[in-house]
This record gives sequence, C-alpha cells and structure tokens, in this order.
Amino acid sequence: GAGVSQSPSNKVTEKGKDVELRCDPISGHTALYWYRQRLGQGLEFLIYFQGNSAPDKSGLPSDRFSAERTGESVSTLTIQRTQQEDSAVYLCASSSPGRRGNEQFFGPGTRLTVL
Amino acid sequence: GQNIDQPTEMTATEGAIVQINCTYQTSGFNGLFWYQQHAGEAPTFLSYNVLDGLEEKGRFSSFLSRSKGYSYLLLKELQMKDSASYLCAVHTSGGYNKLIFGAGTRLAVHP
Repeated sequence: GAGVSQSPSNKVTEKGKDVELRCDPISGHTALYWYRQRLGQGLEFLIYFQGNSAPDKSGLPSDRFSAERTGESVSTLTIQRTQQEDSAVYLCASSSPGRRGNEQFFGPGTRLTVL
Repeated sequence: GQNIDQPTEMTATEGAIVQINCTYQTSGFNGLFWYQQHAGEAPTFLSYNVLDGLEEKGRFSSFLSRSKGYSYLLLKELQMKDSASYLCAVHTSGGYNKLIFGAGTRLAVHP
C-alpha cells in the first residue's frame, strides 16, 4: 500500500470492554511502533516491533495493554478492561532500518473514546 | 533520563518568520527529527539533522547544536496552512533506535 493504514478510525466503547486496534505498515518495513497521544499532548511511546518480535515494550502503561505482530506485517494493539483514562488517539508508525535515521511514517490513528 | 522541551504554544502573523526551539537531554543521540502535525491528522516528516548546523529546505530550515543539546525549526513567509503542531523527536542511539518525542508546539498563524 501507499502508506500506513489503521482501523478503525474511530472507536467508542464502554468502560470495562476490550478493544483491538489494527495497524497495516508500509510493505517491507520491518520496524513498527505504537504510540498514544492524549488530547493536546505529545506522542507517548508504547511498544516497538522488529519483525515479529517486540524487543522494547517499555512504554506499555499496564498489563491491560498488549500487542502482537504476525508475518512481519499487521500488528494488533489490544486493550483489556478499558478505562476512561485510555481515551486517546493511538498512532502506529513503520520504518525501514537505515533510511534517514529510522524515519517513521505514521498512520492516521485510531481515536478511542471510553465512556 | 530522557527529556525534550519545547514551548507549548506560539502565535505568529502571516508572512512573518517564526523560530520553534527544542532542547533535549537523552541517553544517546543519533539525530533529531521535526514533524508537522495538523489537528486530527498523522505527523508528517519535515527534517532530520545529524550534524551541527543549519539545513534549509524551502520555507523551512532546521538547526542543530549537538554540544548544546539544542535545535530549532525556522519557518519563513508563514502561511495560514502552517498552523499546526510541530514535534521535535530525538533518534536515540543504542537500544532499538526509537524516537523520543517532545510534547509539541502548537503554532497559530493569524492574518
């Protein structure tokens, strides 16, 4: 595809429900990142994938958050037992190692609202 | 620890010049990115500085001083469409080369 895509674009859920957010990176990009962006704030790193492994999960805020990546392509971020504080835009980015210092290309994000 | 500071908000007039500063303290440094983010949209790449000095690209220029842990983004001949958030991000060395982002500077351009 031409760029990083994410789905859904918007998700409204009730507190306590589980949600899954999907990211399709640019074809051939081996590195994939998830970020969280609360309203009016900067990007907060969540997790990094190189291929199908996640060597850096240091940004996941709690054990309710998990992510996986299959086939060095699609990634899914899962939030269990959602809380209102989880409301944010979740951005995915991908990169190709060696390219311009690991420049990351961002998807349009998923806006999550927890009621 | 990792710390990146930018002003929260700035305003400027159409046609003017504005400089957005960024200071950083990070464990390792490979380079510094500037991204532009319009409201409700994904961040898009503006510049990447590795060496000290000024890099110019059209109306936008970016400066880096590694010894001072300082960068700025210079926007000339401002246009209304330049109203956006500008994110400073450090490409850290070691570890997994992840980007550490600042909180962003919201720029409002007025007629």
